Amino acid sequence: GAGVSQSPSNKVTEKGKDVELRCDPISGHTALYWYRQSLGQGLEFLIYFQGNSAPDKSGLPSDRFSAERTGGSVSTLTIQRTQQEDSAVYLCASSMGLAGGNEQFFGPGTRLTVL
Amino acid sequence: ILNVEQSPQSLHVQEGDSTNFTCSFPSSNFYALHWYRWETAKSPEALFVMTLNGDEKKKGRISATLNTKEGYSYLYIKGSQPEDSATYLCAFSAGTALIFGKGTTLSVSS
Repeated sequence: GAGVSQSPSNKVTEKGKDVELRCDPISGHTALYWYRQSLGQGLEFLIYFQGNSAPDKSGLPSDRFSAERTGGSVSTLTIQRTQQEDSAVYLCASSMGLAGGNEQFFGPGTRLTVL
Repeated sequence: ILNVEQSPQSLHVQEGDSTNFTCSFPSSNFYALHWYRWETAKSPEALFVMTLNGDEKKKGRISATLNTKEGYSYLYIKGSQPEDSATYLCAFSAGTALIFGKGTTLSVSS
């Protein structure tokens, strides 16, 4: 299919370990977003990439979180020294241009559990 | 801090009932208001993107209205069906990132 894909679908890790989550956006979409949903919370914006511009990292909760987007396509979200409060569903979305006025297409998410 | 509120938090209706939900958002720096449907075990799916005050959009039995001056949007579902069961999310945008509400979870019994 031509939708947004994410891997892995589930990840269980031990506290203190690093994890990498991957997102493949829809081909041709210039904007890519990362969100997370913790238990009982709404979708929380983390970071977005738009073309070759510097990413907006304003939603990253701590410096343990980082993300990159290579070649304007695939993105990786890295969480270092994971903590139990990092347990959440991490969603990636892409859109044509900035999502302000354009619908976002979401991936299936990665469910992260930190033991 | 931008806050998007949705009510009710959850709702249970019978098949055939019509229902509506509310999304409240900041009335300043408005750029767009999005509605998404999130079914269990699936990805959120866009329903509407609304940008103009007074805008009304419709997709089948689902429609939405927008009031940017007072900062609210309503989502209506006419003749609810079991397949409408999902969490409905609204999201406010001041231009770039979307700020999501916590959603309204709808359950439709047959």
